[in-house]
Amino acid sequence: KAGVTQTPRYLIKTRGQQVTLSCSPISGHRSVSWYQQTPGQGLQFLFEYFSETQRNKGNFPGRFSGRQFSNSRSEMNVSTLELGDSALYLCASSLRQGQETQYFGPGTRLLVL
Amino acid sequence: KQEVTQIPAALSVPEGENLVLNCSFTDSAIYNLQWFRQDPGKGLTSLLLIQSSQREQTSGRLNASLDKSSGRSTLYIAASQPGDSATYLCAVRDYKGSGNTPLVFGKGTRLSVIA
Repeated sequence: KAGVTQTPRYLIKTRGQQVTLSCSPISGHRSVSWYQQTPGQGLQFLFEYFSETQRNKGNFPGRFSGRQFSNSRSEMNVSTLELGDSALYLCASSLRQGQETQYFGPGTRLLVL
Repeated sequence: KQEVTQIPAALSVPEGENLVLNCSFTDSAIYNLQWFRQDPGKGLTSLLLIQSSQREQTSGRLNASLDKSSGRSTLYIAASQPGDSATYLCAVRDYKGSGNTPLVFGKGTRLSVIA
């Protein structure tokens, strides 16, 4: 069974631009979560989607948004990029929300210049 | 607010040594605890998941224990190998009735196993 896939793997943007990252969960998984990883803050939760609905949201500004499609694929969008948005963005999927083991993708490394 | 701490931040050991990684959390009302491994620049690989009702889980050379009342978990790695070199992350999921809460991560322990 294929694992979690994320595209693109690497991205370079400039301040003020917007970016969309994509995540395809493991087949049959309906919950998708997004995390931001930086050297200073570590892994921080962004949001979780289940059945096309946002179920949880972390403490990030409104510039960070996401959605989930009927096939469970998910996208996250960051508008008006700032230098501090440079990070590894990780997506994780699980069968159901809440108590399940989460399986992570390889991440998208975003560099904002 | 749940906080997860991992000590030490970095560890270097000779090949073959048994070692213990520590994880502590401030709120003992957790649903489960998960240990992950992360190789440089890569995503996370799930190693072990311990439910709040369990005391330990084992997978091969790995053994994770959970003491919920004291807010501690340990990951024991037996007979370490250079391939074990990676960052090990501990994450807890708080209990909020529905179990519908996100993972809270520690900052990890960077392990180097020297051949």
